[in-house]
Amino acid sequence: EVQLVESGGGLVQPGRSLRLSCAASGFTFDDYAMHWVRQVPGKGLEWVSGISWNSGDIGYADSVKGRFAISRDNAKNSLYLQMNSLRAEDTALYYCAKAFSSGFPAGGMDVWGQGTTVTVSS
Amino acid sequence: QSALTQPPSASGSPGQSVTISCTGTSSDVGGYNYVSWYQQHPGKAPKLMIYEVTKRPSGVPDRFSGSKSGNTASLTVSGLQAEDEADYYCGSYAGSNREVFGGGTKLTVL
Repeated sequence: EVQLVESGGGLVQPGRSLRLSCAASGFTFDDYAMHWVRQVPGKGLEWVSGISWNSGDIGYADSVKGRFAISRDNAKNSLYLQMNSLRAEDTALYYCAKAFSSGFPAGGMDVWGQGTTVTVSS
Repeated sequence: QSALTQPPSASGSPGQSVTISCTGTSSDVGGYNYVSWYQQHPGKAPKLMIYEVTKRPSGVPDRFSGSKSGNTASLTVSGLQAEDEADYYCGSYAGSNREVFGGGTKLTVL
C-alpha cells in the first residue's frame, strides 16, 4: 500500500524550532519529488516547499523562505522539514505529498499523508 | 506569490453539471500546462482529481474533466452526485521551483 506518514508536530513557542518527518512506503521513493503543503483549519491549502528526487532542485514559498529547510534521505525513504524561527502564522496542519514527477513542476500531487499539526503559541 | 483565485462556492442539483474556475496569471496558470485539481472532504486529506490540465488519475470518474483558456483553468463535474460535495482546490506550477494553490471552492449538491 502506498502510504505517507507524517510526524513531529506539536506545540512550540514563537521563535523556536521544530522538525517534521514524513515516512514513505509502497513506492520507489527516490523516483519522485516530494512536497510539504499546509492548511490552517477551515482555510485553504498553502504550498510550503518541494524537493526533487535527488535534492538537486528545491523551492520554498515566500512565507517560509529563509526560515524553513526541506531535505530528504532516500536511503531511509524519508522527507523532512526543519522549521526555524516559528511564528504564530505557521500554525497549521502540515501534509507531506508525493509529486507525479521527479522534479519541478510537480505535475500534480497524487499521494498525501494525513498530516501533522503544528501549533505555535506561547 | 499570490494564491490562485477561485469562487468561494458553487452548487448544483444531482445530475446537473457545475464548473469551477481558477484564475491566475501568465506566470502560473497561463504559462504552464501544469494545472491540477484536488477534492477534499471534511477531515480528510486532499485527493488528486485532475493533473496536467486535463488528465485524470486512475480511479477518478470521467464525470470530472479539466480545461484551460489563457490564465483561467476550469474543473467541470458532470452528472453531480451527493458524494461530490466537497471543497475543491486548483494548483499550478508558478515557475522557479514554486507551486501555488487556489483559495478553494466549496461545492454543494442541492
